Amino acid sequence: AQRVTQPEKLLSVFKGAPVELKCNYSYSGSPELFWYVQYSRQRLQLLLRHISRESIKGFTADLNKGETSFHLKKPFAQEEDSAMYYCALRPWSNYQLIWGAGTKLIIKP
Amino acid sequence: EAQVTQNPRYLITVTGKKLTVTCSQNMNHEYMSWYRQDPGLGLRQIYYSMNVEVTDKGDVPEGYKVSRKEKRNFPLILESPSPNQTSLYFCASKWGTGGELFFGEGSRLTVL
Repeated sequence: AQRVTQPEKLLSVFKGAPVELKCNYSYSGSPELFWYVQYSRQRLQLLLRHISRESIKGFTADLNKGETSFHLKKPFAQEEDSAMYYCALRPWSNYQLIWGAGTKLIIKP
Repeated sequence: EAQVTQNPRYLITVTGKKLTVTCSQNMNHEYMSWYRQDPGLGLRQIYYSMNVEVTDKGDVPEGYKVSRKEKRNFPLILESPSPNQTSLYFCASKWGTGGELFFGEGSRLTVL
């Protein structure tokens, strides 16, 4: 079955510390992976997609097909990174996205 | 400005009183979708549409209806709302199979 798992519902780290939000998926083909972010009282918005290989707001994510993971990382967390983060997978040639349950990230001052 | 617009943003209603949440996008997107967001459950898809007059059920369609008569609009209809439909609802759209999904600002619905 196709599934996206974000094992941490809540992650709390201090400002300046490294952050890693985990995302594991189960899918036998070649997926497209995304990270979406929702800041407090705002709409969800795209943060990263694996095919663009960009670094957005200091965040990076690498698709590891061997471990079927797409973890989101940032070396030095900032208070404005506090938000809800969702990992999503799009099976190839399919409109639909499969969503993880989300991880709430809290950056402590 | 390219955007997805939902209305109303906030609504308190009573059990059984039909309501419609509108969603409109100005990006000529083919695909539109409705989600509900509940604490601890993340995003769950209610219905989606891949083009005009083409709609299909998502993961949690019970108690909801949708229509797609025009490309830009995708209203969500609750014929007889119940308290378990109290939630934060998001409409989203995108161009085709791949690419970014654009979200509306959300509609917070409370059913008493």
